[in-house]
Amino acid sequence: SYEVIQPPSVSVSPGQTARITCSGDNLGEKFASWYRQTPGQSPVLVIYQDNKRPSGIPERFSGSNSGNTATLTISGTQTMDEADYFCQAWDSHTVVFGGGTKLTVL
Amino acid sequence: DVQLVDSGGGSVQPGGSLRLSCGASGFPFNEYWMSWVRRAPGKGLEWVANIKRDGTEKYYGDSVRGRFTISRDNAKNSLFLQLDSLRLEDTAVYYCARALRLAEDPFDVWGQGTMVTVSS
Repeated sequence: SYEVIQPPSVSVSPGQTARITCSGDNLGEKFASWYRQTPGQSPVLVIYQDNKRPSGIPERFSGSNSGNTATLTISGTQTMDEADYFCQAWDSHTVVFGGGTKLTVL
Repeated sequence: DVQLVDSGGGSVQPGGSLRLSCGASGFPFNEYWMSWVRRAPGKGLEWVANIKRDGTEKYYGDSVRGRFTISRDNAKNSLFLQLDSLRLEDTAVYYCARALRLAEDPFDVWGQGTMVTVSS
């Protein structure tokens, strides 16, 4: 079955750029989405179809997807961006989530 | 407002059953694929099941296939998940979520989640 892999954790200083990767075989041929989740809350969509932002998501969130890797980039990271981030792709009729990346801003 | 409201969670012994519900409002429920996704304590998101707009196609994750059943009632704007033969590892928060088109669109609206605890 299809798998996508994320680093378990990423650390960044406030104001710096955070990059979270998601790797899978020919992932660039699929649409990648990204979700953020904080404790006790439901997941929130932050990027869809590789690089589109839903309304209400700040411009500092961006995405790319090429080859075997999708990347979520957070520019000018703020402490409020601390969360778990999950990439997601479709494999035919099934859904694949990455294992999640804990973003620490310190 | 567009909203999904999950309910039906609780505590159950291994081998037991539960039925989860998800009520939809504020959008044309019958135009969306619907899914269940769960997150176990200390783990990541895990997709559980999908169901087509008219209920004629259903897909399941490997860990739940044969034990869980997804269904929907478009007349009542409701999604269901029947959980049978529950195992300790099924303990998780279960979320319903919607997607407009399979393999193209994301899960753009999520329920608030309902907790299922499997414990002896």
